[in-house]
This record gives sequence, C-alpha cells and structure tokens, in this order.
Amino acid sequence: GAGVSQSPRYKVAKRGQDVALRCDPISGHVSLFWYQQALGQGPEFLTYFQNEAQLDKSGLPSDRFFAERPEGSVSTLKIQRTQQEDSAVYLCASSLESVRAQETQYFGPGTRLLVL
Amino acid sequence: AQSVTQPDIHITVSEGASLELRCNYSYGATPYLFWYVQSPGQGLQLLLKYFSGDTLVQGIKGFEAEFKRSQSSFNLRKPSVHWSDAAEYFCAVDPYSSASKIIFGSGTRLSIRP
Repeated sequence: GAGVSQSPRYKVAKRGQDVALRCDPISGHVSLFWYQQALGQGPEFLTYFQNEAQLDKSGLPSDRFFAERPEGSVSTLKIQRTQQEDSAVYLCASSLESVRAQETQYFGPGTRLLVL
Repeated sequence: AQSVTQPDIHITVSEGASLELRCNYSYGATPYLFWYVQSPGQGLQLLLKYFSGDTLVQGIKGFEAEFKRSQSSFNLRKPSVHWSDAAEYFCAVDPYSSASKIIFGSGTRLSIRP
C-alpha cells in the first residue's frame, strides 16, 4: 500500500513569506508526527496528533509555526513569516495506533524548505 | 542533560567487513530504543527496535543491535556490509515510552569502500 506522502518535496521561500507543507499519512493511521531535520542533524520532534487532536506541540520552535489536522487524516504544517533559520527538511510520520508505544512510526520523504 | 549520543559522525568500512555503530543514551529509565536508516532522497526506515526482553534484537537487512543497560548503550552491528548499506544511521529513543515523541541522535554517516 501507499506510504506517507508529503508535498511539495522542495520549497524555496523568500524571507518573510508564509509556507504550507502537506502530509498525507498512511490510510487509517491514528497518530501523526512532524519533525524538523536541520542539515547534518537528526530529526527533532515538533508536534503530534492523535486523530484531529493536537496532543503535544512542545517542539514547535516559535508561534510562527502552526500545525493542523482538522479531519484526522491529512495534516498541514504552516510557517508564517519564514526566517533563514527555518531552512530544513520537514518530516512527517504516522503510526497505526496511539496507545501502544510499540507501534512503528512510518516516515515520509520530507519537504526540503530553503528560505532565502 | 537527557540526550542520545552517536559519537561517530562518519565511518568508512570496506565492503564485506563487519560494522558497529555506537549509540549511548542518558535517560533514567530504560527507554524504548530504535535504529533508523536514511538513504539520500528516502524517508527514514526503521531497522529495528527494542522494548523489553531479549537484549539482542534482530532487524531488517541483516542488522542487529544489543541493549546493554549497564553501559546505557544500544549499538548497531552487521557482520558483513554491502555497498547498498551506505547511508545515514540514526539511533533514537522514546524516553517516556509514551509513543508521543522520538528523540533522535545526530546520526552516523556510513560510507562503503569498494
């Protein structure tokens, strides 16, 4: 079956521009995660959804970052007034259930954001 | 501070040679532990995971990892590497066994010498 998909795969934005990054999780997956991966670093947790509820947004670096999953499937990560330090690969992951920590997170290919 | 440490930034091994990638964590309780691989242009793929039980865990692509509580380590091994194993490898922990977030190390880039 289809895996996690993300769009766009690449995004170039001018500093100050707003961007929206989309994640389509695996169908039926309850949990959805966003991570930010800076160049040469490991992914860093941003936020987590269980269905449409955003249960943890402790990793969002500033109030310019906003994520939503209104119908419990597709999710959008929005970054307002982008800054150069926002340049990174944004990874989305989904997992089947939320209550069992043993559930594997399946990652999408990421969106590479470059802010000029 | 709580962290996941991968001390080797870049490792080069010859094809057919054995491999060990190091990972240490500094969380009080035993977290859930993972190894992921990331190839260029590909998403992160789970190689193996440890939750409890047998401390030697078998994964995909011939990889295994051993959890050593006394050393707070979870090193990844493969007896004979293939050129296709060249990639970035990430150790990760779920520190609260909560399924709500994973903390990743900074990664080890593996190159294969022909």
